[in-house]
Amino acid sequence: EIVLTQSPATLSLSPGERATLSCRASQSVGSHLAWYQQKAGQAPRLLIYDASNRATGIPARFSGSGSGTDFTLTISSLQPEDFAVYYCQQRTNWPITFGQGTRLEIK
Amino acid sequence: QLQLQESGPGLVKPSETLSLTCAVSGGSISISNYYWGWIRQPPGKGLEWIGSFYYSGSTTYYNPSLKSRVTISVDTSKKQFFLKLTSVTAADTAVYYCVRRVDFWSGYPTWGQGILVTVSS
Repeated sequence: EIVLTQSPATLSLSPGERATLSCRASQSVGSHLAWYQQKAGQAPRLLIYDASNRATGIPARFSGSGSGTDFTLTISSLQPEDFAVYYCQQRTNWPITFGQGTRLEIK
Repeated sequence: QLQLQESGPGLVKPSETLSLTCAVSGGSISISNYYWGWIRQPPGKGLEWIGSFYYSGSTTYYNPSLKSRVTISVDTSKKQFFLKLTSVTAADTAVYYCVRRVDFWSGYPTWGQGILVTVSS
């Protein structure tokens, strides 16, 4: 099973700042990595698929990069609605696995 | 636009079987190149993939941590697929989501709203 480790666990930033979230895989997942945003009481929303492709309707301030074992989700200028929990997920090998999440909170 | 809707009991007793239905609208299950499945999230915790099926290949994949207790099945005529989880315990208390993704993409763009299932006597 591929283990995904996200860091930091919690990130405290102010609106307008840049957020950088990390996801590290225990073995190579190629580019088969996705990122999600989840707000309280809601289903996760797909932000990025295949490491760097924005999903439909996702603002350009969200970007993904990386390949192999190290991946980054960047939010260029935080908006109030961006404070949420973020998860990464791989589909290279069964079982599909998720990272434990990064909570992005308002400083 | 494809929509997914979970339904089933919100309360299940320990040792019994959890049974959920996912109703599909705005599209068909019996088309190529899609994985359909279930993901769960215990209260206050992260996401856990339960299993997926690929209709075109008639193949179902399960999380090894649950494999001995879980079955995913489908009824294409009713546009529904199902989750059965046997011998439940309090650790199975979670929000259960049904999901869909394209087979060659890494992410799940389509989620149901989720259903909270509590295991308690």
